[in-house]
This record gives sequence, C-alpha cells and structure tokens, in this order.
Amino acid sequence: GESVGLHLPTLSVQEGDNSIINCAYSNSASDYFIWYKQESGKGPQFIIDIRSNMDKRQGQRVTVLLNKTVKHLSLQIAATQPGDSAVYFCAEAYGNNRLAFGKGNQVVVIP
Amino acid sequence: ETGVTQTPRHLVMGMTNKKSLKCEQHLGHNAMYWYKQSAKKPLELMFVYNFKEQTENNSVPSRFSPECPNSSHLFLHLHTLQPEDSALYLCASSQEGSGSNEQFFGPGTRLTVL
Repeated sequence: GESVGLHLPTLSVQEGDNSIINCAYSNSASDYFIWYKQESGKGPQFIIDIRSNMDKRQGQRVTVLLNKTVKHLSLQIAATQPGDSAVYFCAEAYGNNRLAFGKGNQVVVIP
Repeated sequence: ETGVTQTPRHLVMGMTNKKSLKCEQHLGHNAMYWYKQSAKKPLELMFVYNFKEQTENNSVPSRFSPECPNSSHLFLHLHTLQPEDSALYLCASSQEGSGSNEQFFGPGTRLTVL
C-alpha cells in the first residue's frame, strides 16, 4: 500500500475539550478508511470507518471526516475523557482486505 | 475467551533461542495476520493467511516462520533472531468476503531479543 501518515506526533488536550487528529493519505484509489485506537499494553481497537462515497460519518462522541480532494482524513473526539488517552492510527484499505497504517498520533488528556 | 488472544504477552530470548508465538481467534474469521510494531514506525504487515493458506509474505526474513494449522490458530516460530527484531508482534483476524476490511487485533506479544 502507499504511504499513510499523521501530521502531529502528540496532542495534549484538556479533559472536556474536543480533539482533532489528522491523517494524510496518498492512494487516491483507496475507497475505505479506518481509525484505530491503541491503549498502552493493548492491541489496536476499531473506532470508526468511512467509505470514499461519504465525507462524514458519526459515531458515539467521534466523527470522521474525509476530504478526497486533498486526500485528508480526520478524527474528531467530542468532550475528551481520560480514557481517550491513547495512540490513534488511521488505516487505508488496499488490495484484498489489506490495511496500510499511519505512524500513529499520541493523544494525552489532561485532567 | 473472546476476540483474539495471544500468548505469551511478553518474551525475552537470546539470539540462539527458538521460541513460538501463538495466536487464537474466537470470531469465526477466515483470515489471520501477523504484524510487527516497532517504535515510531507504522504497523508492518508480515504474513497473511486466508483459509489456512499463506497468501502474503512481505519479504520477511526466514528466521520468522509462520504456521496456520487451522483457521482459528496462527503461530510465529522464531529462531536466531537479531536485537532489531525486538518489537510488539500483533496478530489480527478478519472475515474476507464480508464487505468489511475491519481487522480485529490481539493484545500483542512484547518480544525482546538480547
């Protein structure tokens, strides 16, 4: 798969504020994207996904935005909680059930 | 047990040792994966198995040898590893043909090669 990368290495956010994590991708043919969350000592966990025929999708306290024009993906977390402290990865689907992951972005929630 | 389990959770081995990592998925999936997660690098796909058959080997050195005896179990046999092989090894599973690319991950095995 082609490269998928994150803009910011670490994001510190006050508890209760909103968080935004960004991701750039390079394969314009990709039609599916996933955000994963990885807490310390655990494997990545699925948060939310979006297909390329959509530009926005909402989950519980999370929203993913897709801008295909500039090949940009973002994850918004509303009312950030201490349990949101983790590394967040975007992943781009390619081929047959394959995922290419970004490097990860650490989110630190300050109580 | 639910989801994807991996054992051991931590492993320290010398360069001349032989060890195996085990993964088991309880989700009824037909595809399983090994990933390597090193500090400050994206997850690296190592091997893919679909219906017990290896369908992808991402130029992984032969000192890593996967085995998939059935669709629920996946092993990674290790021998004569190098210190740079120290990393978190993640197993994942998915259901190919379901229309979803979502992969479910285990907690990983933290490997340290001395």
